[in-house]
Amino acid sequence: GAGVSQTPSNKVTEKGKYVELRCDPISGHTALYWYRQSLGQGPEFLIYFQGTGAADDSGLPNDRFFAVRPEGSVSTLKIQRTERGDSAVYLCASSLLGQGYEQYFGPGTRLTVT
Amino acid sequence: AQSVTQLDSHVSVSEGTPVLLRCNYSSSYSPSLFWYVQHPNKGLQLLLKYTSAATLVKGINGFEAEFKKSETSFHLTKPSAHMSDAAEYFCVVSDRSNTGNQFYFGTGTSLTVIP
Repeated sequence: GAGVSQTPSNKVTEKGKYVELRCDPISGHTALYWYRQSLGQGPEFLIYFQGTGAADDSGLPNDRFFAVRPEGSVSTLKIQRTERGDSAVYLCASSLLGQGYEQYFGPGTRLTVT
Repeated sequence: AQSVTQLDSHVSVSEGTPVLLRCNYSSSYSPSLFWYVQHPNKGLQLLLKYTSAATLVKGINGFEAEFKKSETSFHLTKPSAHMSDAAEYFCVVSDRSNTGNQFYFGTGTSLTVIP
């Protein structure tokens, strides 16, 4: 079956611009996660959704970052007034809810802010 | 609090020799533990998971890991390294925190395989 998909695969934007990154999780997965991965680092947690609501957004670095999941499926990560330090690979993962279920990761969106 | 410590940031082995990647965790609850692999410019792929069944877990590509509660460890091993095993490996712990399913990543171990 289809895995987690993310679009676009690559995004180059100028400093100060607004970007949206999309994640399409595996059908039926209630939990959805966003991570940011910089070169040579592990995934850094940003936000976690259970259904439509953000269960934990403690990883969002500041108020320029926002994410939504209005229908409990597709999620969009929105970054306002982008900065060069936002350049990274943004990963999305989904899973079933409950102890022991693994996360399935998308291929990521590589964001470059020039 | 939950956390994961990967004791080696880099491991280098010769092709055909054993692989050992070390992981220690802390968890307030009965955890689930996972190992993921990430090849260069690729997504994260699940290697294996422990979820309170058998303590010795077998995964894909000949990898296995043993859950040792007394040592709070979940080390990843493989008897014989292959060139294609060169990648970044992440140990992950999950438990039912008060915010639901949450996953905590280690900082990763980069495995180099020398021909």
